[in-house]
Amino acid sequence: GQNIDQPTEMTATEGAIVQINCTYQTSGFNGLFWYQQHAGEAPTFLSYNVLDGLEEKGRFSSFLSRSKGYSYLLLKELQMKDSASYLCAVLLRSNDYKLSFGAGTTVTVRA
Amino acid sequence: DADVTQTPRNRITKTGKRIMLECSQTKGHDRMYWYRQDPGLGLQLIYYSFDVKDINKGEISDGYSVSRQAQAKFSLSLESAIPNQTALYFCATSDPSGGGYTFGSGTRLTVV
Repeated sequence: GQNIDQPTEMTATEGAIVQINCTYQTSGFNGLFWYQQHAGEAPTFLSYNVLDGLEEKGRFSSFLSRSKGYSYLLLKELQMKDSASYLCAVLLRSNDYKLSFGAGTTVTVRA
Repeated sequence: DADVTQTPRNRITKTGKRIMLECSQTKGHDRMYWYRQDPGLGLQLIYYSFDVKDINKGEISDGYSVSRQAQAKFSLSLESAIPNQTALYFCATSDPSGGGYTFGSGTRLTVV
């Protein structure tokens, strides 16, 4: 099976930075995705990492270390609209190239 | 129009009733998936299909069945609904690499 772990909840202040960590123990790794999901809505794609390093996209950045089985999503200059759940998902060759999702991290941004 | 459309958006049904959730997509993808989401448990895979003639069970297929009527249509059925099937259900498609899912807007199902 696959273990994908991320914190359940995080709280931060508007304008601040928050880092959401994701660790995974899997075989046949083929990439890691981050999705954003507002309450009651569909998940939407944020980022995709397949090689080690940092991918930056505006206020959001995602980092991957394959050797450590570790990724993080960095949210900068937090806005109230960033309050949402953030899902870490791993793509596995051993899982027939399907995504396995973590339980998600609920981020609450306070004024 | 949305790339992935789910109907209905909300449904309340009684225990023992049969119910079908429908999904259609305009992405032209062969791969389609059905997930359920419960608070604190994340997305759990129910069934998936890699083409019209290919249907596979996911992690939690018991109590569910699916039909892939065409490349664009993938339906999920609950033959005899029970209260612990109350959840948010998502349909998704992906490109041939398997990643980059596009999700429908979800169906909130309540079984009373």
